[in-house]
Amino acid sequence: DQQVKQNSPSLSVQEGRISILNCDYTNSMFDYFLWYKKYPAEGPTFLISISSIKDKNEDGRFTVFLNKSAKHLSLHIVPSQPGDSAVYFCARSVEDGQLTFGSGTQLTVLP
Amino acid sequence: DSGVTQTPKHLITATGQRVTLRCSPRSGDLSVYWYQQSLDQGLQFLIQYYNGEERAKGNILERFSAQQFPDLHSELNLSSLELGDSALYFCASSAFLGPGDTQYFGPGTRLTVL
Repeated sequence: DQQVKQNSPSLSVQEGRISILNCDYTNSMFDYFLWYKKYPAEGPTFLISISSIKDKNEDGRFTVFLNKSAKHLSLHIVPSQPGDSAVYFCARSVEDGQLTFGSGTQLTVLP
Repeated sequence: DSGVTQTPKHLITATGQRVTLRCSPRSGDLSVYWYQQSLDQGLQFLIQYYNGEERAKGNILERFSAQQFPDLHSELNLSSLELGDSALYFCASSAFLGPGDTQYFGPGTRLTVL
């Protein structure tokens, strides 16, 4: 069973500070891990991905870290902005590309 | 705007009925995926098509079926509807096949079964 778990249902951060969202996974082979952001009444929007052969990937304010020994990945958002307030999902992409999602973390960035 | 369109946006129907959800992928994308988001199950993969052929099945009920047409649009058919089928249904598309190929999601269809 290839699961991804997000253990924190919510996170509040002050504007300008760092937001760190976490995800744990099981039974990894050669996978990709992705982060999606979702606003209410919209579909998920792709943010950033990382191959399981890498440790880090950066795109502007977003950085994803992969710790293979701990089976853990994290998304760092620096600096956090009020527009970043949304639900963030980590996901694993396997085989033909279908995604297995975590349960999501509601990020609230306070002005 | 992801480029993926879904119709209708909202659908309200009764138990036992049948509905069809439609998805048009981004121009040029060959893969179409369907996902269900419910309160208790989160976002779950249902089924995937690639260039008209079924490629993978997830947690899709036997009452549900899908197809991808020659113009690459896809339809998800839900029959003998139950209250528990009320959920958001998302379609996503990607250019090719395989892990790491970014999926772009449509805005979803909200299905309410009364």
